[in-house]
Amino acid sequence: VYLVESGRDLGQPGTSLRLACVASGFTFDDYAMHWVRQAPGKGLEWVSGISWNSGSIVYADSVKGRFTISRDNAKNSLYLQMTSLRPEDTALYYCAKGHRRWELGHFDYWGRGTQVTVSS
Amino acid sequence: DIRMTQSPSSLSASVGDRVTFTCRASQNISHYLSWYQQKPGQAPKLLISAASKLQSGVPSRFSGIGSGTLFTLIINSLQPEDYATYSCQQSYSTPQTFGQGTKLEIK
Repeated sequence: VYLVESGRDLGQPGTSLRLACVASGFTFDDYAMHWVRQAPGKGLEWVSGISWNSGSIVYADSVKGRFTISRDNAKNSLYLQMTSLRPEDTALYYCAKGHRRWELGHFDYWGRGTQVTVSS
Repeated sequence: DIRMTQSPSSLSASVGDRVTFTCRASQNISHYLSWYQQKPGQAPKLLISAASKLQSGVPSRFSGIGSGTLFTLIINSLQPEDYATYSCQQSYSTPQTFGQGTKLEIK
């Protein structure tokens, strides 16, 4: 299993950014996918999850209304559209594979992460 | 939201020691608890799911016990490669929340 994130950037508050994650080594459209972030020196924070067929999508309150998760099963890809970025969104963003089709569950594989820095 | 609290926040131990980590949930989460290991500069690695199910490839010196609100990760006979930060995560309800982590350091 490989999960490779892209989209690292340095942006100003209020701007937008799109993260992508390309998956391989498993049947992508059989599993939920997630974004989890880790601010510098802090613990892990789950950001958003999407079910295998995009039928169920959930967000952490801290990003609800600003971030949009999506997936393209034909391209084995997961996305996170981030808008109205805030300094507190600065973190290493991990793409993580869920262990089942639905979005509630543990994360059995993780990418290496992509850095997002929001600063004026 | 369910709050996950880990203790201690850090601990020092020697190779060969038996080490225990504690994770408490703010409400009953049954057995929906996972443990992750994270080394500096690396992604987290799933060690245990469903409170006690060891993942494939994880050494048998790792074990997990607990249910409800109190959970424990045990490492028997600590090895040099085990020095890392260990985090728990509940998947009982959304948002899925993590503990703040326990950093295991060399004594």
